[in-house]
Amino acid sequence: DAGVIQSPRHEVTEMGQEVTLRCKPISGHNSLFWYRQTMMRGLELLIYFNNNVPIDDSGMPEDRFSAKMPNASFSTLKIQPSEPRDSAVYFCASRGQGRYNEQFFGPGTRLTVL
Amino acid sequence: AQTVTQSQPEMSVQEAETVTLSCTYDTSESDYYLFWYKQPPSRQMILVIRQEAYKQQNATENRFSVNFQKAAKSFSLKISDSQLGDAAMYFCAYKSGGGADGLTFGKGTHLIIQP
Repeated sequence: DAGVIQSPRHEVTEMGQEVTLRCKPISGHNSLFWYRQTMMRGLELLIYFNNNVPIDDSGMPEDRFSAKMPNASFSTLKIQPSEPRDSAVYFCASRGQGRYNEQFFGPGTRLTVL
Repeated sequence: AQTVTQSQPEMSVQEAETVTLSCTYDTSESDYYLFWYKQPPSRQMILVIRQEAYKQQNATENRFSVNFQKAAKSFSLKISDSQLGDAAMYFCAYKSGGGADGLTFGKGTHLIIQP
């Protein structure tokens, strides 16, 4: 199994630009999570999906952030317009059925907004 | 809302020695799970060990073990026979047993292994 795949691994953009982060969960997993990691705030849950349906987006910081999961094998996190304070590492994780199952994390996308 | 606190920003231990990383949490729930994740410089998040709140027995995975004190809401990680490869950030995490499915993380402890 290839594990959770995220792209790009690194993204550098200018303030005001649209940024799209992508995630492919592990095949067969039915839950998908987006987290953000910064020095100041640590690791924060942004949003998660069960069976492609957004369940809790209370961690999404602003309306500039949006996430979609059009099918079981693909999710996007979009920031528009991006700001320097959005600079962070964004992780995607997926989990199989059963509430005790482990979340498997992708390698993360390091986003730098200039 | 649940909170997870790791009071040690950094810890250092000699190779082959034992080190304990502290974690406390706050919750009003009785059903939950606790985890320790390791994040090496590669940035990859790796599950080290997990504990169900309803189990009194402390979880053990090879050189890694936990001391779970439910009444005190404490969940420390003990690493025995420390190895250079153990050097990493370690995060304590909480997951509700029902409903909310995401993880709540502590701020992490940077573990340094002295050769």
